[in-house]
Amino acid sequence: DTGVSQNPRHKITKRGQNVTFRCDPISEHNRLYWYRQTLGQGPEFLTYFQNEAQLEKSRLLSDRFSAERPKGSFSTLEIQRTEQGDSAMYLCASSLRQMNTEAFFGQGTRLTVV
Amino acid sequence: QKEVEQNSGPLSVPEGAIASLNCTYSDRVSQSFFWYRQYSGKSPELIMSIYSNGDKEDGRFTAQLNKASQYVSLLIRDSQPSDSATYLCAVNQAGTALIFGKGTTLSVSS
Repeated sequence: DTGVSQNPRHKITKRGQNVTFRCDPISEHNRLYWYRQTLGQGPEFLTYFQNEAQLEKSRLLSDRFSAERPKGSFSTLEIQRTEQGDSAMYLCASSLRQMNTEAFFGQGTRLTVV
Repeated sequence: QKEVEQNSGPLSVPEGAIASLNCTYSDRVSQSFFWYRQYSGKSPELIMSIYSNGDKEDGRFTAQLNKASQYVSLLIRDSQPSDSATYLCAVNQAGTALIFGKGTTLSVSS
């Protein structure tokens, strides 16, 4: 399968715990995006990378959220000290760098904070 | 603040009818426009992209773009019950991330 891969698919954690999600983009794609989606809403932009450089981060993103993309390959999204409001689907997408390029999503990671 | 607006619906159409989904965007310099389909509990799936004014057809789907009016639409001909889903409009400029609308829920009744 050469699509975007996200792990885990589901995560249940207790409030206050840290969680980390992984995204493996389509192999030739140099852009990688993280989004969060809650019920009835469209995907909300969190951050994006071009190769290993984090180029943009949402101003709404709490300091508890951090993302990395070492060596410009896979990416991780960590949430520290989780809160119930962090419960959502976390989506990763990847695309090529050039203009007018399409982004493709992984299956998502469903986070539930109890 | 860049915004993408869609009617949340639900939009209900009978099987075989044309479904028309609309989207407006606030950033005049937006360059790329996309429609994604999302089934309940699943991730968004790209169905159409459009970059220049006019119509673009792909099977039963037609995307329409009017940059002067900052308006993009999706027409689904011969709607099928399997088309029942949420349709997300997404917009971006070169070098920026996609900004999504909240989506329009489409229900096709047989």
